[in-house]
Amino acid sequence: GEDVEQSLFLSVREGDSSVINCTYTDSSSTYLYWYKQEPGAGLQLLTYIFSNMDMKQDQRLTVLLNKKDKHLSLRIADTQTGDSAIYFCAESNPDAGNMLTFGGGTRLMVKP
Amino acid sequence: EAEVAQSPRYKITEKSQAVAFWCDPISGHATLYWYRQILGQGPELLVQFQDESVVDDSQLPKDRFSAERLKGVDSTLKIQPAELGDSAMYLCASSLSGVGNYGYTFGSGTRLTVV
Repeated sequence: GEDVEQSLFLSVREGDSSVINCTYTDSSSTYLYWYKQEPGAGLQLLTYIFSNMDMKQDQRLTVLLNKKDKHLSLRIADTQTGDSAIYFCAESNPDAGNMLTFGGGTRLMVKP
Repeated sequence: EAEVAQSPRYKITEKSQAVAFWCDPISGHATLYWYRQILGQGPELLVQFQDESVVDDSQLPKDRFSAERLKGVDSTLKIQPAELGDSAMYLCASSLSGVGNYGYTFGSGTRLTVV
């Protein structure tokens, strides 16, 4: 079955760049997503990338996709304290009703 | 901005009691999902609806969980009887049918504590 893996924790200083990594196993994935979850809240869609792309940039966010290695990353430029949250990557597969399979989340801590 | 509404926001219940959660998706979203998120983990799908029909409930513990979406709009997830291990965040999400690149819109969730 599908499996999505993320590192548990990342700590950076305010103003630095953050890179959160994710690996997945389902080669049929069509879209890959990054969600942000603040304490006690639901999930907020940050950005997504189609599987035939290798990069997408959206303001401070850059998504890189290495489809050969099934590796996805999210780079946050000029990280701010408000970026502290848990970040989830997720994949969808149209053969599975576009169901999202999530990783376990990476907790990003931004130090002032 | 359109939102997915969920209620209640928090629920504390004793084990063996019944509990129900409600979700109202974004208007026009035919697909509705219920996810369960155990503390420290990613969300896991419980059930997926397309309009009023269940598309996937393979991960729903059917001996105690039930879900319905009678008119293809809002949905109710029920647990009876609740067990201690059911303590989690229950998230509802909706999406435009068959359009993968929008992802989902999630509600704020219902945090269930079973004591």
